[in-house]
Amino acid sequence: DAGITQSPRYKITETGRQVTLMCHQTWSHSYMFWYRQDLGHGLRLIYYSAAADITDKGEVPDGYVVSRSKTENFPLTLESATRSQTSVYFCASSESSYSNQPQHFGDGTRLSIL
Amino acid sequence: AQKITQTQPGMFVQEKEAVTLDCTYDTSDPSYGLFWYKQPSSGEMIFLIYQGSYDQQNATEGRYSLNFQKARKSANLVISASQLGDSAMYFCAMRDPSGGSNYKLTFGKGTLLTVNP
Repeated sequence: DAGITQSPRYKITETGRQVTLMCHQTWSHSYMFWYRQDLGHGLRLIYYSAAADITDKGEVPDGYVVSRSKTENFPLTLESATRSQTSVYFCASSESSYSNQPQHFGDGTRLSIL
Repeated sequence: AQKITQTQPGMFVQEKEAVTLDCTYDTSDPSYGLFWYKQPSSGEMIFLIYQGSYDQQNATEGRYSLNFQKARKSANLVISASQLGDSAMYFCAMRDPSGGSNYKLTFGKGTLLTVNP
């Protein structure tokens, strides 16, 4: 089925390790986004991308790296994981930047850093 | 300043009754979009309904409708004939150019709705 897929769904790792969260969409949407969801903070934007090879920082980019070599993929890497990065991570995509376009979300990745 | 405010951390409703979830927003841009998402306990984020700032009529999608009062900057979600499966967290979100990050979504903190049988 077409849609947006995140992997893995669950991940446990240790502080200092590098971890990559994958996001793949089959709609050929131009815009892709990474959010983290934390209790008391709601969803906060980490990075976004307007097209392949175009990425930009959101509200909370520190400690994260993204790339977008292909339109359909938007991986998020934690270069050296810290406990404060324990969170639920959502990838989203939208067709355009027009304000009437909803973002469609993946099922999320629950990341625990010990 | 908080751009999206959801003042009800939790709400209870009886099955088959209607419920209104409140959302107020703040933006200086005349062009913006308002969205409601549902997050069940399984965790996924489900898009429910959209209202554009220039829309003359309130949006409706099945049992969901949006009570849009532009002058008051409110966009309340109304769920009619509540069902047990409506129990979830509900998020109001806004997409506007003043967000700075190319029309990112700004979310409220959510309202946890519990439908009682």
